[in-house]
Amino acid sequence: KQEVTQIPAALSVPEGENLVLNCSFTDSAIYNLQWFRQDPGKGLTSLLLIQSSQREQTSGRLNASLDKSSGRSTLYIAASQPGDSATYLCAVGGLQGGSEKLVFGKGMKLTVNP
Amino acid sequence: DTEVTQTPKHLVMGMTNKKSLKCEQHMGHRAMYWYKQKAKKPPELMFVYSYEKLSINESVPSRFSPECPNSSLLNLHLHALQPEDSALYLCASSLAGEITGELFFGEGSRLTVL
Repeated sequence: KQEVTQIPAALSVPEGENLVLNCSFTDSAIYNLQWFRQDPGKGLTSLLLIQSSQREQTSGRLNASLDKSSGRSTLYIAASQPGDSATYLCAVGGLQGGSEKLVFGKGMKLTVNP
Repeated sequence: DTEVTQTPKHLVMGMTNKKSLKCEQHMGHRAMYWYKQKAKKPPELMFVYSYEKLSINESVPSRFSPECPNSSLLNLHLHALQPEDSALYLCASSLAGEITGELFFGEGSRLTVL
């Protein structure tokens, strides 16, 4: 059974810092890995999707890497801003019943202080 | 248009009521999902429809009844719910048949069962 872990559960940093968010998973037989952002009481916003054959993806100030063999992914946020404050969720995509199933980590609550 | 629309945004119901949650997308996606999220927890998969057929049911109690009337619509019918069913219900969609597809989530329907 796939298990996804995100450590730490919460992080508070001053504005401008470069951040690394970590995600680890137990079963390396994944199809993809997706990073999401969730604001309080809201839905999930997809940030980056990395296919199992890829090593990294970039979008603006965000860069995500994937190392399947070691069961790890990192989300790098450059020059953090107060607007980046949210919960960040890592989700690993696998196959079940012919359909895709995402297994989520518990998330990391990020607070960027002005 | 990368939007998944969920209605209603908020729903309060008694344990004897019957209500429905609705989800709509116009991205041509053929896979649609229901997730349940309790406070400060990650989303948990409930159901997956692929090409309008139920492909995954994560042993969800029968008081939750999904329906996919066409490729753009997904409903979740609620009956005889319990207070512990209060949660944020999230709908998502993706390109079916592509296991590496990105999931797009709606803003969710916040359900309170009295």
